[in-house]
Amino acid sequence: SAVISQKPSRDICQRGTSLTIQCQVDSQVTMMFWYRQQPGQSLTLIATANQGSEATYESGFVIDKFPISRPNLTFSTLTVSNMSPEDSSIYLCSVVSNVGADTQYFGPGTRLTVL
Amino acid sequence: GENVEQHPSTLSVQEGDSAVIKCTYSDSASNYFPWYKQELGKRPQLIIDIRSNVGEKKDQRIAVTLNKTAKHFSLHITETQPEDSAVYFCAASGWGTNAGKSTFGDGTTLTVKP
Repeated sequence: SAVISQKPSRDICQRGTSLTIQCQVDSQVTMMFWYRQQPGQSLTLIATANQGSEATYESGFVIDKFPISRPNLTFSTLTVSNMSPEDSSIYLCSVVSNVGADTQYFGPGTRLTVL
Repeated sequence: GENVEQHPSTLSVQEGDSAVIKCTYSDSASNYFPWYKQELGKRPQLIIDIRSNVGEKKDQRIAVTLNKTAKHFSLHITETQPEDSAVYFCAASGWGTNAGKSTFGDGTTLTVKP
């Protein structure tokens, strides 16, 4: 299984600012994703982080709000831009290891609080 | 898109009893159905999964069943223990380029009373 780390683990931010979350995997993986888990709720897919090309966003999420980078097969960043209190959530990086695989692993999450 | 419904939202059982959580999905193209356990403040951990070519899978006290025709799948925990207390999520996703793009149920908070 893949070992996933995220930085920061938590942060408290002021509204109107931006935060970049980093996701590092200990091995090359084909597919990386970013999920959001709002307080007391389930997980929702934000986007697929594509290596070398623009991320693919799910309905309700846009690049201007959640820009994503994936410069290589082991690293991705998610930026939460122009934050408001409604962005307070846990943001989780997720990976599927290999082409043809389907088992999914989650990072420890970044707990974001926006004041 | 896919829609996953999960029931019940809360479940309380006595230690040693069984617990059953049920999910339905809408997209017949989904073919991978994992179950995750999430303890407070921690990441979701995969506890068992089933693929659409299998009807049942068991791992010690945990089992999952899948009915493709009815588009529902269930998690069964036997001989529950207090450490089984957590939030459980079901999910559905595809394969290949759709792997990892999971739709999650709303979760079931399981409480096992000693």
